[in-house]
Amino acid sequence: ELKVEQNPLFLSMQEGKNYTIYCNYSTTSDRLYWYRQDPGKSLESLFVLLSNGAVKQEGRLMASLDTKARLSTLHITAAVHDLSATYFCAEINTGTASKLTFGTGTRLQVTL
Amino acid sequence: EPEVTQTPSHQVTQMGQEVILRCVPISNHLYFYWYRQILGQKVEFLVSFYNNEISEKSEIFDDQFSVERPDGSNFTLKIRSTKLEDSAMYFCASSIRSPLHFGNGTRLTVT
Repeated sequence: ELKVEQNPLFLSMQEGKNYTIYCNYSTTSDRLYWYRQDPGKSLESLFVLLSNGAVKQEGRLMASLDTKARLSTLHITAAVHDLSATYFCAEINTGTASKLTFGTGTRLQVTL
Repeated sequence: EPEVTQTPSHQVTQMGQEVILRCVPISNHLYFYWYRQILGQKVEFLVSFYNNEISEKSEIFDDQFSVERPDGSNFTLKIRSTKLEDSAMYFCASSIRSPLHFGNGTRLTVT
């Protein structure tokens, strides 16, 4: 069974601080996704990481992928309140119709 | 930008009733999915659909669930006899390959 685990599950941080969310996955898949979800809302695609060593950045968020370690990270730089949301990583099973297996989610709360 | 649309946004039903959740995927997409999210929990895969048939389903997707693509645009999830534990947010998604594009979800409340 595929397993995707994130830590921490909950993160409270002050504006301006940096932090990293970790995502460990159990298969040899080399494609990893990050999604953002605001309370009661849908899932917004943030990053698609397609190969070992891939690094992508958008604003204050940077995602990376280490397929050998089966680890992806989402780094937050100088957090702002607008980044408060739940962040999910998801790993894809390319064997059958590209099914996504989601991680447990990290609820990020950025305080003023 | 094209998007996946879901209706209704909120459905309240009594236990034992049938519900149909509707989705209009992005028009040129080939793969269609249903996921659910129980309040405060992670997103769980239910079923994937490709080439007019189910390609994979999870253990959650038992005989009470069914999916259809009745015409060229709609993709539906039917729950035949709802249970209290079916209360969740149900997300439809579609893709060409990846990433998946999710709709805004239907919140199903079973009373």
